[in-house]
Amino acid sequence: RKEVEQDPGPFNVPEGATVAFNCTYSNSASQSFFWYRQDCRKEPKLLMSVYSSGNEDGRFTAQLNRASQYISLLIRDSKLSDSATYLCVVNRNDYKLSFGAGTTVTVRA
Amino acid sequence: EPEVTQTPSHQVTQMGQEVILRCVPISNHLYFYWYRQILGQKVEFLVSFYNNEISEKSEIFDDQFSVERPDGSNFTLKIRSTKLEDSAMYFCASSPPPDGNQPQHFGDGTRLSIL
Repeated sequence: RKEVEQDPGPFNVPEGATVAFNCTYSNSASQSFFWYRQDCRKEPKLLMSVYSSGNEDGRFTAQLNRASQYISLLIRDSKLSDSATYLCVVNRNDYKLSFGAGTTVTVRA
Repeated sequence: EPEVTQTPSHQVTQMGQEVILRCVPISNHLYFYWYRQILGQKVEFLVSFYNNEISEKSEIFDDQFSVERPDGSNFTLKIRSTKLEDSAMYFCASSPPPDGNQPQHFGDGTRLSIL
């Protein structure tokens, strides 16, 4: 089983729509969780950390379910600039990040 | 906002040659990392470095690879004898104290092309 699995998408949504997707992780000892975004051929950029209580940053809401070992990201009121690949990232507290393969989101005008 | 900087942005090297990729982590960060991303594939962990020694390394990080922090600012990745399959984007990252669980900040990468 892969350490981090994501639905690759693509999710094609109109501007203003809400889009949500999940990822699952295999190691129950994982300690910290993040969503990064990656634009084509660019570096991963931290979008937000994910906390057990769930957290929100503007139009972005992240949730963590430790019992089921999944993490979700919801984007409200999508903008064209939200088009990117969203990377689910898990840290097992051993100084390395495990990346999912990414979920592609395309927001159309 | 402070950034991780990497040089060069693109390196073209003949197979079998040595290559050194350079990174300047964010100044108050204590944990340093190298990742690679082969075109069309996911980001893969190579190595982490803390307190002047390797903390963790992946199976990709074999004897051909080494890392060094030669001074107070640079963090380098050396590949001794490059292979065609080393062609990838190499990302350096750093994270702040107090521990290895903090968010990592990535440089904009070095594209390594092996001919």
